[in-house]
This record gives sequence, C-alpha cells and structure tokens, in this order.
Amino acid sequence: DIQMTQSPSSLSASVGDRVTITCQASQDISNYLNWYQQKPGKAPKLLIYDASNLETGVPSRFSGSGSGTDFTFTISSLQPEDIATYYCQQYDNLPPGFGQGTRLEIK
Amino acid sequence: QVQLQESGPGLVKPSQTLSLTCTVSGGSISSGSYYWSWIRQPAGKGLEWIGRIYTSGSTNYNPSLKSRVTISVDTSKNQFSLKLSSVTAADTAVYYCASSHTGSSSWGVFDPWGQGTLVTVSS
Repeated sequence: DIQMTQSPSSLSASVGDRVTITCQASQDISNYLNWYQQKPGKAPKLLIYDASNLETGVPSRFSGSGSGTDFTFTISSLQPEDIATYYCQQYDNLPPGFGQGTRLEIK
Repeated sequence: QVQLQESGPGLVKPSQTLSLTCTVSGGSISSGSYYWSWIRQPAGKGLEWIGRIYTSGSTNYNPSLKSRVTISVDTSKNQFSLKLSSVTAADTAVYYCASSHTGSSSWGVFDPWGQGTLVTVSS
C-alpha cells in the first residue's frame, strides 16, 4: 500500500493567517491526490481533487499544489469556519489511502 | 445531486457480523457511472477505505479487511450493503458510504459521502 504522511499533525493559527499543510506519498502518485475537510461529527467534504482542482462551491482561499510525491494544501487567509481536520488521500493505486490528518485550531 | 444515507444496527456483539446498508437517492445506483464505497473512521482516528462495488457487482476490497468483508448491491432498492464478519472492538467506528465516478482520473475522488453511522462492537 502507498503510505501518506501529513504534517503537521496539528496546527494553531490566527484568523487571517496563511496556513500550509504538506502531504508526502511513499511513491510517485502523479497528481492523484485529494484534500478533504472534516468538521466534528460530520462526514469529510471534498475540497481539492487531482492535487490542484478546486471543487465547485469551495471558497477560493483554499488551494492545492504538487505532483509526484510531495503535495501542499494552503488556506490563504484563515477564517473561523475553517476550523476542522484536513486529510489528504491518494488514489493512484488500490487501496486508496488517507493521511493521518491535520487538526487546525484558532490561536 | 446524489445523496447517500447509511442505516443499520448501532451495536454488534464481538464475533458477530456487522451489517450496514447505504440508500442512494437523487440518482440510480444502476447508472453505470459510479463506484460505491464504504469507508470507516474509529473515534479520534483517521479514515480507512474498506472496499467498493460497481453496478455490475464487481468488487474491490482493502487487503487488510478482505477476508472478512462482503459488499453487495441491490439495484431494485437502490441500495448497497456492507457485511463485516467476526468483528472485534477494533471494528468500532463511524462507517461512511461514499460514491466516486468510474473514470480513470476520478475513481478515487469520494463525493458525496453519507452522514455516517456509528457502530459499536461490545457485548
């Protein structure tokens, strides 16, 4: 299985800050990398697919980049409603796998 | 817009079989354009893909669970189901159903998801 390593595991930032989360795959996954947001008690929500494509309806402050093994997820200006846990997920091969998550808190 | 809803017992005894159903609304499970997956999340932990089924009935399972998992589809009810046998406390989790398109560059993009259902394994 392809291993996905996210960092940091938790992050505290202020409203308006630029926030960056990284995800590293254990092998080349091209751009088959998605990012999800999960709020407490809710199902994950797709934000970014294929590394850099913004899902319809998702605010433009969210963005993603990368290819191969190294990927980055960015919130350009943190808003209070962005408090959540964020997961990366690869689908280059079966089984699709998720990173361990990054818990984002407001400072 | 397709919507998914999980249902099933919230409590299962150790060594028994966990059974859940996902009902699809707003679209046909027979459309041929989607894979139908199960994903689980133990409390406070990350997400684990369990397996998927296509309308034809073809399945793929996570090797870590393959010996205990069966996913089936009932097109007449617009539902697909999960059975996980010989459960232990380690199978306690929120179970989600999710869909993805069948394209080569979208089969693993999970959207939408059901709201999730908590299954506790305890005697």
